[in-house]
Amino acid sequence: GDSVTQMEGPVTLSEEAFLTINCTYTATGYPSLFWYVQYPGEGLQLLLKATKADDKGSNKGFEATYRKETTSFHLEKGSVQVSDSAVYFCALKMKTSYDKVIFGPGTSLSVIP
Amino acid sequence: EAGVTQSPTHLIKTRGQQATLRCSPISGHTSVYWYQQALGLGLQFLLWYDEGEERNRGNFPPRFSGRQFPNYSSELNVNALELEDSALYLCASSFGFGELFFGEGSRLTVL
Repeated sequence: GDSVTQMEGPVTLSEEAFLTINCTYTATGYPSLFWYVQYPGEGLQLLLKATKADDKGSNKGFEATYRKETTSFHLEKGSVQVSDSAVYFCALKMKTSYDKVIFGPGTSLSVIP
Repeated sequence: EAGVTQSPTHLIKTRGQQATLRCSPISGHTSVYWYQQALGLGLQFLLWYDEGEERNRGNFPPRFSGRQFPNYSSELNVNALELEDSALYLCASSFGFGELFFGEGSRLTVL
């Protein structure tokens, strides 16, 4: 079945460090891909999305490119801030049927000053 | 535009009791999803409603149930509460094949 795999956390980085959170997926078709972020004590917020191969989603300095050849959607940010400390979820949603959204297990990021 | 709203924010129950959680989707959204997020764990898919019908169900026992009303709002019922039901319950809404928009969640504590 369809699935999403994320790198294991927690990830701890110093402020201004480069961030990469790996995400790979398995799907029988061509899904839309998403990154959601969950700040402490809050619900999930959509961070960015991509709906087709080679699309790049970007928001708040974060970027991710839909790579069909490697079935990946890695999240990157050039310089993290303490306020980026949160849990990040990669997700996919098929576009050809009314199918549920599939989330990865989440990656906890802590940014220290 | 109002986002997804959930109530109550916090709920404390004892074992064996019933809990009811409510969700109002974004205006125009017809799909409502429920997820359970236990402490330290990821999102576990519970239920998905669209146009008033249950479309999909996660791997949860029958004591987890719900419904969607004609105005597309939804409620989640958990019967015969157990300690391990303590979690953050997240509701999300969407329209068609679009992305999910989440509420802030309802935190259920079972004592």
